Amino acid sequence: KNEVEQSPQNLTAQEGEFITINCSYSVGISALHWLQQHPGGGIVSLFMLSSGKKKHGRLIATINIQEKHSSLHITASHPRDSAVYICAVSTGTASKLTFGTGTRLQVTL
Amino acid sequence: EADIYQTPRYLVIGTGKKITLECSQTMGHDKMYWYQQDPGMELHLIHYSYGVNSTEKGDLSSESTVSRIRTEHFPLTLESARPSHTSQYLCASSERAGIGFWYFGPGTRLTVT
Repeated sequence: KNEVEQSPQNLTAQEGEFITINCSYSVGISALHWLQQHPGGGIVSLFMLSSGKKKHGRLIATINIQEKHSSLHITASHPRDSAVYICAVSTGTASKLTFGTGTRLQVTL
Repeated sequence: EADIYQTPRYLVIGTGKKITLECSQTMGHDKMYWYQQDPGMELHLIHYSYGVNSTEKGDLSSESTVSRIRTEHFPLTLESARPSHTSQYLCASSERAGIGFWYFGPGTRLTVT
């Protein structure tokens, strides 16, 4: 079992829909990261969370430390949101990230 | 604006050639990383550094080597390229241990013929 699990693996939505991507982890963490990767592109850090909730534009990330669970929400989705969204965790003082397998999102017109 | 740079972005090279993939960051981060990613696949850590003159092998066995002579520069070298090295190579840096924001370079897509 992976230490970081994401669901769903693939997601297709119509423009304007509200999207939720889930991430569960099984280890103690110091922070959880949400990353975005467009096809053929590099990776962009969207959020870093250690508690609570963060919002940036149409993106919202939440984390529940007790339940070891995080969600990434996209409101009013748009085709340009189509990308792979990756959850990753950093643990203790270790500086390495443990990555989830990613969620491939396709937003259609 | 990206503060972490990789060159070249694309490279096609023949088997047996020596190549160096460059990575530089202007943020003064001590921690830098190299990841390998095949299309549609997870990222695998191949090398990392916690500062100048500090380098470690990652989780994925790799025939590459790295050096860290300057804080801002973390090049990756393949002494003899093989078709199995065909992949995307991503460089990253982080602010500090544990809780720190991560920054990723745009990647180098390497094809070995």
